[in-house]
Amino acid sequence: GNSVTQMEGPVTLSEEAFLTINCTYTATGYPSLFWYVQYPGEGLQLLLKATKADDKGSNKGFEATYRKETTSFHLEKGSVQVSDSAVYFCALSGGFFSGGGADGLTFGKGTHLIIQP
Amino acid sequence: DTGVSQNPRHKITKRGQNVTFRCDPISEHNRLYWYRQTLGQGPEFLTYFQNEAQLEKSRLLSDRFSAERPKGSFSTLEIQRTEQGDSAMYLCASSLGSNNWQANSPLHFGNGTRLTVT
Repeated sequence: GNSVTQMEGPVTLSEEAFLTINCTYTATGYPSLFWYVQYPGEGLQLLLKATKADDKGSNKGFEATYRKETTSFHLEKGSVQVSDSAVYFCALSGGFFSGGGADGLTFGKGTHLIIQP
Repeated sequence: DTGVSQNPRHKITKRGQNVTFRCDPISEHNRLYWYRQTLGQGPEFLTYFQNEAQLEKSRLLSDRFSAERPKGSFSTLEIQRTEQGDSAMYLCASSLGSNNWQANSPLHFGNGTRLTVT
């Protein structure tokens, strides 16, 4: 079945540091890939997505490129802020093959990011 | 667009009791999902509706769990004879789906219902 593996946390960085959170996946077919973010006390929010190989998703200074050859979708940001502190989830949607409904999601375990001023 | 609404936010119950959660999706969304999230883990799929039809259930959904979406709008998730292992955050999400998967909207999540079974 489909699965997502992302780096263990917590990841602690200083403000303005460069961020990379690694994500790799296993899937049949041609999944869509997502990063969701969960701020303290809030629900999951879509951060960015990519629907086919070599697509780059971007939002709020975050970027991730869909790399089919390495089955990866690493999240990057050039200069993080304290307000970026949250839990980040990598996820994929593989249609009827995903075991999660027509466009349901398979999530990684999440990476807790802590940005210190 | 008021977003996906879940009630209650928190529920504490004693082992063996029944509990019911409600989810109100975004009004024009035809697909509704239930997920469960335990501490330190990502959300795990439980079940999925398209309109009023329950189209898929995870093997995580034991016989004690039942979900309904009677009119294709709000949904309820009931857990009978709760166990301590049922303690988790229960998340609801909705989306606007079509036969063209690339036109599907992403999932929009509610803030969840946190269940504690004592």
